[in-house]
Amino acid sequence: AQSVDQPDAHVTLSEGASLELRCSYSYSAAPYLFWYVQYPGQSLQFLLKYITGDTVVKGTKGFEAEFRKSNSSFNLKKSPAHWSDSAKYFCALEGSTGGNNKLTFGQGTVLSVIP
Amino acid sequence: DMKVTQMPRYLIKRMGENVLLECGQDMSHETMYWYRQDPGLGLQLIYISYDVDSNSEGDIPKGYRVSRKKREHFSLILDSAKTNQTSVYFCASTPRDRQAPLFGEGTRLSVL
Repeated sequence: AQSVDQPDAHVTLSEGASLELRCSYSYSAAPYLFWYVQYPGQSLQFLLKYITGDTVVKGTKGFEAEFRKSNSSFNLKKSPAHWSDSAKYFCALEGSTGGNNKLTFGQGTVLSVIP
Repeated sequence: DMKVTQMPRYLIKRMGENVLLECGQDMSHETMYWYRQDPGLGLQLIYISYDVDSNSEGDIPKGYRVSRKKREHFSLILDSAKTNQTSVYFCASTPRDRQAPLFGEGTRLSVL
């Protein structure tokens, strides 16, 4: 079984601050991890992914994420945050065994950046 | 330009009617997905398709079925729709080499 948990339903911060959105996962093998962003009324846009290699991965819109196997986390970071970063963010895990391809999402975190 | 296209974008149906949601992609991606998104629940996987006529249940397949007769096209069918199937449905596709799935714009379905 595989699962993803985003423990913070809402995060609010001021423009210029550093943001970190938390994501933890449960999976028995090596995970493939993704972050997506969803603006109101829109579809999901890909931000970044971790497949293997460097544990800090950089993505679009100035975001980066750090994979930590020790505590099964893949937190999304950006500094400084901008008001235009306000959106809903999803962490996702894809199974890596047996041709799985099953992509499981967390519940999402709504980020509000106050100008 | 790589794109996943969903039709229709908005749909209103009465309880008990049949519903057909369609998804297309022109990238020859092998793997395609159907998800539904409800407030506070994230995205829930309904079905995954690995290629033509190679479909597998996701986490919430009950009340849904799918059809994939061409690699480019993946349909989601609701036989006798229920009010609790009111949701936003997203289709996505990806090649096999662990590229990030590309999502369509979604179909907002209301079952009255």
